[in-house]
Amino acid sequence: EDQVTQSPEALRLQEGESSSLNCSYTVSGLRGLFWYRQDPGKGPEFLFTLYSAGEEKEKERLKATLTKKESFLHITAPKPEDSATYLCAVRPSYNTDKLIFGTGTRLQVFP
Amino acid sequence: DAGVTQSPTHLIKTRGQQVTLRCSPKSGHDTVSWYQQALGQGPQFIFQYYEEEERQRGNFPDRFSGHQFPNYSSELNVNALLLGDSALYLCASSLEQGGVKVTQYFGPGTRLLVL
Repeated sequence: EDQVTQSPEALRLQEGESSSLNCSYTVSGLRGLFWYRQDPGKGPEFLFTLYSAGEEKEKERLKATLTKKESFLHITAPKPEDSATYLCAVRPSYNTDKLIFGTGTRLQVFP
Repeated sequence: DAGVTQSPTHLIKTRGQQVTLRCSPKSGHDTVSWYQQALGQGPQFIFQYYEEEERQRGNFPDRFSGHQFPNYSSELNVNALLLGDSALYLCASSLEQGGVKVTQYFGPGTRLLVL
């Protein structure tokens, strides 16, 4: 069964303290891994799409990487405004449309 | 560039009632997907509409139905509401290119509370 697991469930960081969020997946194939940011009560905001192992994408303080079994979202020198829930989703190879989401990592960055 | 819009933002219903939620896709997009997000969970796929037809469906009962209009906007209907239907309902739009749906962009959601 296709599955996405994110860890940790919650992460508290001091401003400037870099860390990584993990997304491990089990799918029959992979036609895209997606990272979204979600603020409380809002819809997910698209961050990155990764398609193949070894691929990396960067945006400001965020960098996403992909291996054959997992993806990491690295946060460098985070600021309080980076506080949000970060969601990982996969598009399985046999299914072109449906996204399967993990439960997210809730990040809090304190000044 | 207008993003995905949804209405209403919040809704309160009682058990057994019916509800209709609305979505307008991002400008230039032709495909709409609906997701249900319970508190503390990731979004769960309900179904997707393309060319005014339901193209794919997740593991939801047929109390959940939808429609897509010629202008690509979409509605989600839920009949015989249950307490467990309380959730954030998200609409996502995408553009089919070469038979593949590219990145899905989400709207702000409709918060439904069933009492």
